[in-house]
Amino acid sequence: AQKITQTQPGMFVQEKEAVTLDCTYDTSDPSYGLFWYKQPSSGEMIFLIYQGSYDQQNATEGRYSLNFQKARKSANLVISASQLGDSAMYFCAMREWGTGNQFYFGTGTSLTVIP
Amino acid sequence: EAQVTQNPRYLITVTGKKLTVTCSQNMNHEYMSWYRQDPGLGLRQIYYSMNVEVTDKGDVPEGYKVSRKEKRNFPLILESPSPNQTSLYFCASSFLGQTYGYTFGSGTRLTVV
Repeated sequence: AQKITQTQPGMFVQEKEAVTLDCTYDTSDPSYGLFWYKQPSSGEMIFLIYQGSYDQQNATEGRYSLNFQKARKSANLVISASQLGDSAMYFCAMREWGTGNQFYFGTGTSLTVIP
Repeated sequence: EAQVTQNPRYLITVTGKKLTVTCSQNMNHEYMSWYRQDPGLGLRQIYYSMNVEVTDKGDVPEGYKVSRKEKRNFPLILESPSPNQTSLYFCASSFLGQTYGYTFGSGTRLTVV
């Protein structure tokens, strides 16, 4: 079974609008972390936001927020007020405590911001 | 500056010619890993290391070797590269623990002809 599922291969959003990128995960470990990374066309991987499994509140970092629904095992990334520079590939990832600290990545969502 | 330094950035080589991609981190991270990225497949782990002299296979280890003789360095070796190893490669490091994310190197675009 896939540990991380990103069901949206590609998304489009109008500039200044908000967009939600979906991510669901699968784990039976009570201790885990959820991460989102951005990969612009230049290729580097940029850390965006982190959510811990025990965190009560959704994580926020500037225009990024993580909509954490633990019972549904979902960790959607919300980008508010999209900018042209947000056009990139976005990867959701999970790290479990129990499986030797392994990272699991989704296949990514390509976001295009339309002017 | 805290970083993962990966070299080279770009490499074109011929089938069968041994090559090494270097990776070095200056953050005293215990955990280091290599990934390859191919379109539609996301990031697939090749090898990882949880500490010096401790390495383990990831999801796609065939055709690759690694070593971890020092904490800061984790080179990726392709003994006999083949065209199906043409890919974008990333080195990443982190502290151990589920609250720690990766710091990634800038990537190596490898083409094997």
